[in-house]
Amino acid sequence: KQEVTQIPAALSVPEGENLVLNCSFTDSAIYNLQWFRQDPGKGLTSLLLIQSSQREQTSGRLNASLDKSSGRSTLYIAASQPGDSATYLCAVGYSTLTFGKGTMLLVSP
Amino acid sequence: EPEVTQTPSHQVTQMGQEVILRCVPISNHLYFYWYRQILGQKVEFLVSFYNNEISEKSEIFDDQFSVERPDGSNFTLKIRSTKLEDSAMYFCASSFPSGATISTDTQYFGPGTRLTVL
Repeated sequence: KQEVTQIPAALSVPEGENLVLNCSFTDSAIYNLQWFRQDPGKGLTSLLLIQSSQREQTSGRLNASLDKSSGRSTLYIAASQPGDSATYLCAVGYSTLTFGKGTMLLVSP
Repeated sequence: EPEVTQTPSHQVTQMGQEVILRCVPISNHLYFYWYRQILGQKVEFLVSFYNNEISEKSEIFDDQFSVERPDGSNFTLKIRSTKLEDSAMYFCASSFPSGATISTDTQYFGPGTRLTVL
C-alpha cells in the first residue's frame, strides 16, 4: 500500500527566502506525482504534475523534482511571498491519488 | 478558465439522514472522483467514475455510499444513512479531457462541501 510522507509538517520563513518542501513515497511504481496548494477551508489547487518518466517540472517560481529510485520529490519555491502561505500537498498515483498530510507554510512580511 | 463546482458549500444533517452532495465537473472531462478530508487528516480517495460506472473504490466507500451521473453535467455522491464519522470535507475532482493522453492526467478539484453530521 502506497504511503506518502511530507516533511516538515510546518515551516515559517521570512518573505524573500527560497525554500524546499519534501515528499517521500514508499512504492516507486508511481504513474504521476502532483503538487497541490490548499488554502484554509478551501479546495485543492493543482500546482504541478510530474509524469513518472520526467524528472522535474517548472511553473513560475515553482520547481518540482522527482526521483523515483529514492522515492522522493521536492517542491522548490523561489523568492517566497506572503501570498504563498498555504498548505502544500503532495499526491501520487494514476487515477486514484494517495496524499501526504501536507506542509503548512507561513511566509511573513 | 473552466473549473469544478460543488454544492452546497456546507451541509448540516442529523445522524441517520440521507445526504446528496453535488458536483459539476469540467465539461469535457471523462473521469470523475470523490475524495474526503476529515478535519486535520489526509485527503482520502473514495471513488472514481468513468463511462457511467465506478472504475475504482476504496474500502471507505461501503454500501452506504453511491455515486451517480444523472445527466450530462452533474455528478453526485449520496450517503444513505449518515454517521457522525462521515463529518468531513468532501471534494469532487475531474480529469482526462477527451483527446488527452493518460500520462498527462491532472486532477482538478472543486472547492469542497463541508458535511457536518450531528
